[in-house]
Amino acid sequence: DTEVTQTPKHLVMGMTNKKSLKCEQHMGHRAMYWYKQKAKKPPELMFVYSYEKLSINESVPSRFSPECPNSSLLNLHLHALQPEDSALYLCASSQDPPEPPLVNTQYFGPGTRLTVL
Amino acid sequence: GQSLEQPSEVTAVEGAIVQINCTYQTSGFYGLSWYQQHDGGAPTFLSYNALDGLEETGRFSSFLSRSDSYGYLLLQELQMKDSASYFCAGWASSGSARQLTFGSGTQLTVLP
Repeated sequence: DTEVTQTPKHLVMGMTNKKSLKCEQHMGHRAMYWYKQKAKKPPELMFVYSYEKLSINESVPSRFSPECPNSSLLNLHLHALQPEDSALYLCASSQDPPEPPLVNTQYFGPGTRLTVL
Repeated sequence: GQSLEQPSEVTAVEGAIVQINCTYQTSGFYGLSWYQQHDGGAPTFLSYNALDGLEETGRFSSFLSRSDSYGYLLLQELQMKDSASYFCAGWASSGSARQLTFGSGTQLTVLP
């Protein structure tokens, strides 16, 4: 099973709303990631969790708050977002350290398409 | 930090062979991955090179030269369904974590 699931698939929210994005994987991966992707652009890394601890925060505004309740789950809490935050939010996971023979594969979920009004 | 450069667009016909190049500048680099992304979809892993040389997976092959900070993705026997964006992505260590940085992407259009 190489599946990463994300809910919801689509989300429309106002600037005063609070919502959460959810991500789940059952591949035993110990590294999980949040990316933001605008149309026609590459994914941009937001956060990295390694062994359930936040290890990288790429200077993301505090209106985005990640949470890793356990090794299989990753949440992204959203509050007071701006219209420019509208994008595809991708969750991914990978082995950490890499699997032998040195293969380092990051598996992506289908993403949540977020629209902020 | 990392930066990866690749051509923005490539066009080829069905049955042809196409090569997408990627050059990178990065500290702590230890591997290059390639991803395919169709419009509206998520990136899908294609290949990974940690060592110099060619890795072959079916119609797709990927090459890495660490001394030249260069890699490429080779797609053979192109099919219409190969029309998509292709991203090279570099793995690097950042403190205790590893992170993947994506190039800007190459839009491949396969013509009949």
